[in-house]
Amino acid sequence: SQQGEEDPQALSIQEGENATMNCSYKTSINNLQWYRQNSGRGLVHLILIRSNEREKHSGRLRVTLDTSKKSSSLLITASRAADTASYFCATDEYSSASKIIFGSGTRLSIRP
Amino acid sequence: GAGVSQSPRYKVTKRGQDVALRCDPISGHVSLYWYRQALGQGPEFLTYFNYEAQQDKSGLPNDRFSAERPEGSISTLTIQRTEQRDSAMYRCASSPGPGTSGSYNEQFFGPGTRLTVL
Repeated sequence: SQQGEEDPQALSIQEGENATMNCSYKTSINNLQWYRQNSGRGLVHLILIRSNEREKHSGRLRVTLDTSKKSSSLLITASRAADTASYFCATDEYSSASKIIFGSGTRLSIRP
Repeated sequence: GAGVSQSPRYKVTKRGQDVALRCDPISGHVSLYWYRQALGQGPEFLTYFNYEAQQDKSGLPNDRFSAERPEGSISTLTIQRTEQRDSAMYRCASSPGPGTSGSYNEQFFGPGTRLTVL
């Protein structure tokens, strides 16, 4: 079963614009992670935010977490062609901190 | 150091045959995970280990699927009597594990094994 669900399923924007993806989850968590996958290749970890954190930055990435709404957002600023990829959120389960469940992903396309 | 490796990278087998997929995690990583990923979907959790102990196998689809990690390092996912519906990308990941830093469950993924059952 899916713990996290991303929204939108697909997003196409112009290079230089900002991209925002959302993730909703169902149960209490210890942390939430975002991953990127290029063209069916391996998944790469982007950022982790703990349940007691509300916002985190890493380069052009900004992640927010609202545990009361069980939702997170990933913002990519000043998008580049290389950002074209699928983005997945992944959550653990509070009672089983090591079990990770991935959402179905957002496919981001950056138009030149 | 070296990342997570998986072998074989591609496996084509006939329906009814058994297959064994291997994962070699990052040295020192306590936790090891197996996922299955269909095209256009996120990784689907299958099972995970801490050291040699299988902590959760609730994601294994049926009893044809099994996994082991006998020495707490390399793991093997075995699919018996393969069926066409088993065709997918099988991904392995490792993480530092409990008792380590705040990123204890950050997943480091291998390249995957593409399984095709004819």
